[in-house]
Amino acid sequence: QKEVEQNSGPLSVPEGAIASLNCTYSDRGSQSFFWYRQYSGKSPELIMSIYSNGDKEDGRFTAQLNKASQYVSLLIRDSQPSDSATYLCASRGGGGADGLTFGKGTHLIIQP
Amino acid sequence: EAGVAQSPRYKIIEKRQSVAFWCNPISGHATLYWYQQILGQGPKLLIQFQNNGVVDDSQLPKDRFSAERLKGVDSTLKIQPAKLEDSAVYLCASSRTLSPLHFGNGTRLTVT
Repeated sequence: QKEVEQNSGPLSVPEGAIASLNCTYSDRGSQSFFWYRQYSGKSPELIMSIYSNGDKEDGRFTAQLNKASQYVSLLIRDSQPSDSATYLCASRGGGGADGLTFGKGTHLIIQP
Repeated sequence: EAGVAQSPRYKIIEKRQSVAFWCNPISGHATLYWYQQILGQGPKLLIQFQNNGVVDDSQLPKDRFSAERLKGVDSTLKIQPAKLEDSAVYLCASSRTLSPLHFGNGTRLTVT
């Protein structure tokens, strides 16, 4: 069974610092990976997608993928209080059924 | 472009009653997903449609849950009869093939 593991937190980070979120996945056939942000009572919102090994940067966000270690991470630079949310890591397999498998999410708190 | 539309936003029912949720995906998105998100957990895929065909329903409790996507556009998810453990947010999402998922606002179901 495909699994995505995340530390549920809460992860507390001072404002302006770098927040580092991590996840691991069990399915070696997974081809693409996503980070979603979910505010309390809201639906998940796509932050980043990453498909190949290495880093991908978008503004204050950097996603990192290491397929050999089955490890995905998200770095948030210059953390702001508005970044406080639950961050969901998700993987997608390479077969015809391309639904995402989500982790439980990491609750991030940015302290002003 | 208009987002994924879901209704109702909230629903409270007693156990053993039935309930139905509706979803209208983003125009042009062939793939539609229904996810269940229990409080404190990540979304779990219930069923995935490609146009009006089912791609993956391996985690759908078929003794009580059913879903259809007539004409490859709108979709309905039904629960009959509901159990207490069905209390959750039901998220509909859509995507172009192998593209990131876009979520609707969800339906929060409370079973008493």
